[in-house]
Amino acid sequence: EVQLVESGGGLVQPGGSLRLSCAASGFTLSSYEMNWVRQAPGKGLEWVSYISYSGSTIYYADSVKGRFTISRDNAENSLHLQMNSLRVEDTAVYYCVRDGMVIKSDYWGQGTLVTVSA
Amino acid sequence: DIQMTQSPSSLSASVGDRVTITCRASQSVSTYLNWYQHKPRKAPKLLIYAASNLQSGVPSRFSGSGSGTDFTLTINSLQPEDFATYFCQQSYTTALSFGGGTKVEIK
Repeated sequence: EVQLVESGGGLVQPGGSLRLSCAASGFTLSSYEMNWVRQAPGKGLEWVSYISYSGSTIYYADSVKGRFTISRDNAENSLHLQMNSLRVEDTAVYYCVRDGMVIKSDYWGQGTLVTVSA
Repeated sequence: DIQMTQSPSSLSASVGDRVTITCRASQSVSTYLNWYQHKPRKAPKLLIYAASNLQSGVPSRFSGSGSGTDFTLTINSLQPEDFATYFCQQSYTTALSFGGGTKVEIK
């Protein structure tokens, strides 16, 4: 069974940092492209970042470019999102999303809540 | 960026009703359009991919149609477990974008 389990969320002050992780099981992470997507309270979903199979190709939303870094450890079957210079508007539930071989965004995790507040 | 406009934002329906949700893209996304069901504190679940293809294991009362800019999700004979939020997503571009969601509530 495919499972994606996010961790690392929590409360952080503006300007602080957090590192999110996504543990993948039930499939071989190295065979799949991955994304992070977030949803702020009461708002719609927003794509955050994409990483290719090997990590050689990476894209970011303009809203996080220069502050967030996506990475992957295929040997450990894990995906990460390093978030620096956090802002109040980064408060959201962050989801790890798999791009299937045929179907984009076929599996999502349950999300981890990041709250940026003084 | 491609904007996705979904309507309605909420609806009330009864068990057994037929429900239709629409999603419009700001430019053509061909058939790179997925539909998901999302329940609180759960992972979003893929229902329909490539606009009209039923994901494995999803009941046949769910169906999708459309191409280009206009898409529809239909739930025939709404069941108690179908009360949830539904959203569309385009994957025509690497920068994914999403509809605002439709909350389906019990009438």
